[in-house]
Amino acid sequence: DVKVTQSSRYLVKRTGEKVFLECVQDMDHENMFWYRQDPGLGLRLIYFSYDVKMKEKGDIPEGYSVSREKKERFSLILESASTNQTSMYLCASSPDGGLYGYTFGSGTRLTVV
Amino acid sequence: LAKTTQPISMDSYEGQEVNITCSHNNIATNDYITWYQQFPSQGPRFIIQGYKTKVTNEVASLFIPADRKSSTLSLPRVSLSDTAVYYCLVGERAGRRALTFGSGTRLQVQP
Repeated sequence: DVKVTQSSRYLVKRTGEKVFLECVQDMDHENMFWYRQDPGLGLRLIYFSYDVKMKEKGDIPEGYSVSREKKERFSLILESASTNQTSMYLCASSPDGGLYGYTFGSGTRLTVV
Repeated sequence: LAKTTQPISMDSYEGQEVNITCSHNNIATNDYITWYQQFPSQGPRFIIQGYKTKVTNEVASLFIPADRKSSTLSLPRVSLSDTAVYYCLVGERAGRRALTFGSGTRLQVQP
């Protein structure tokens, strides 16, 4: 089975801190994605990557950046955490960008205080 | 991705069949219809995909009429563990784009 592993299940950070959320997949997928999920707003795409060192903005990239130095690892960076970035963050990977075969991680619930 | 419309929530009881309909009036010729399921505190997971007529797997059935402007996800004899959010997505099966999820349909199964 494809596994997408997010490094932390729960995280509490202070306002202004630089926060790193790590995601690793083990099936050699080309594509990786970061979403956040908030009550009533569904899943919203932050950033995605179709190749190493490549990134594209999603619907809500402000306040975030990403890094993909290796194919299996996709990191989401909160440059200066704010309370409105308190959310569930979900990483996903897929062999291509289509509808089929997305595998999600279990999520990181980030609280910024 | 084509715009989709599905009910915000549905309630059911254990043992009943549940049908969730998704409207996608501007579906394109190359588009497939795909459903994902999300349990609380987990990421979504793929459950079924179809292009036309009917598709069935061990989890659900997907009914697509000839005009393909809507589709119905059917869950037979639901149990409490089917309580989840169900997302309908329409787009090409492969391609360099990212999935955009709507709010989905929140299914609550009661004992």
